[in-house]
Amino acid sequence: EPEVTQTPSHQVTQMGQEVILRCVPISNHLYFYWYRQILGQKVEFLVSFYNNEISEKSEIFDDQFSVERPDGSNFTLKIRSTKLEDSAMYFCASSEGAGGDTQYFGPGTRLTVL
Amino acid sequence: GENVEQHPSTLSVQEGDSAVIKCTYSDSASNYFPWYKQELGKRPQLIIDIRSNVGEKKDQRIAVTLNKTAKHFSLHITETQPEDSAVYFCAACLYTGTASKLTFGTGTRLQVTL
Repeated sequence: EPEVTQTPSHQVTQMGQEVILRCVPISNHLYFYWYRQILGQKVEFLVSFYNNEISEKSEIFDDQFSVERPDGSNFTLKIRSTKLEDSAMYFCASSEGAGGDTQYFGPGTRLTVL
Repeated sequence: GENVEQHPSTLSVQEGDSAVIKCTYSDSASNYFPWYKQELGKRPQLIIDIRSNVGEKKDQRIAVTLNKTAKHFSLHITETQPEDSAVYFCAACLYTGTASKLTFGTGTRLQVTL
């Protein structure tokens, strides 16, 4: 069964550094998402992406964040200048359609900002 | 925006007993309600979902009910087994016309004891 994959599984970075988290969504899916989960807390929506543009974003997704689909398979989340509070698990998800289609989650990237 | 409340935060049951987790949502436009199971350090895995045109759905030992008027939905697990131990998240999905955004509850840690 196809799955969403993410790399790296764990990223450690210094405060102020840029990080890029990578995702490969399920191949026939058209909608892509990033969520984050701070340790012990709930999963929070960051951004959704469709047709090569952001379709929805949350208040968390400020100017430090950007997303890109650089080729036909990868979907990336960039954090320009990391802060301590960016430490979290970041999940990529994808769905075939919108309007109630199941979102399938990747295994996550644990980001630790020191 | 959408707000999802989930109760209880922790639930301990004996093997074989039933477990019930309840969620409420605030935005009547939400139309899709998935439940995810998350084991420690793993991705959220969809276990069951329900759409707003349906009042109840069952899949073996798992069932979900939805009351649109009251804006609440519940997860029922019967004949619980130790492998059901995990954190369960409910979510409400709001389709904005260009994207589906999942708002998660705060999670319920289910412990099934022998």
